[in-house]
Amino acid sequence: QKEVEQNSGPLSVPEGAIASLNCTYSDRGSQSFFWYRQYSGKSPELIMFIYSNGDKEDGRFTAQLNKASQYVSLLIRDSQPSDSATYLCAVDPAGGTSYGKLTFGQGTILTVHP
Amino acid sequence: EAGVAQSPRYKIIEKRQSVAFWCNPISGHATLYWYQQILGQGPKLLIQFQNNGVVDDSQLPKDRFSAERLKGVDSTLKIQPAKLEDSAVYLCASSPLPGANEKLFFGSGTQLSVL
Repeated sequence: QKEVEQNSGPLSVPEGAIASLNCTYSDRGSQSFFWYRQYSGKSPELIMFIYSNGDKEDGRFTAQLNKASQYVSLLIRDSQPSDSATYLCAVDPAGGTSYGKLTFGQGTILTVHP
Repeated sequence: EAGVAQSPRYKIIEKRQSVAFWCNPISGHATLYWYQQILGQGPKLLIQFQNNGVVDDSQLPKDRFSAERLKGVDSTLKIQPAKLEDSAVYLCASSPLPGANEKLFFGSGTQLSVL
């Protein structure tokens, strides 16, 4: 079983729609969760992080965490063509004892079409 | 604030040759990471430094890969000899402290092609 698994893509949504990206993780002790956006040929850039159960909103982005279900998601509202990218879920597998080592999922390719 | 600098941007070599990548982290960042990202996959950690000491190199193929950060600032990752499966983007990242992942920044990466 992969440590961090993302929903298989690619995901295609129309402009203005809500894009939903999902991620599950295997280590129940994981404490911190991150979403990165990676444009083709570019490096990953952090867009959201979440530590507590529930929702965290930042502009058009909402991260949702359910530790009991070992599930984290990213919602993008009012999707724009500029949101087209690969979205990477990353998990700090063992909280403060892991020295900050992140484990990444394989990524989900999102395409927003006009 | 300058970002994480990496060079070269691209490198093409033949199998069994050697190659080296360089990284200069953000000023003041004590923690430095090298990740390998194979096409279509997420980044995989190769090695983590805290200042000039290795914190984690459990996923580094030590028979062919080596890395150093002698003065606790810039770092070099070397592959010798390279194999076809080493074709990937090598990403360097830095953060002020271990665990401060909300302040983790990546460099632009070195794309390696092994022919």
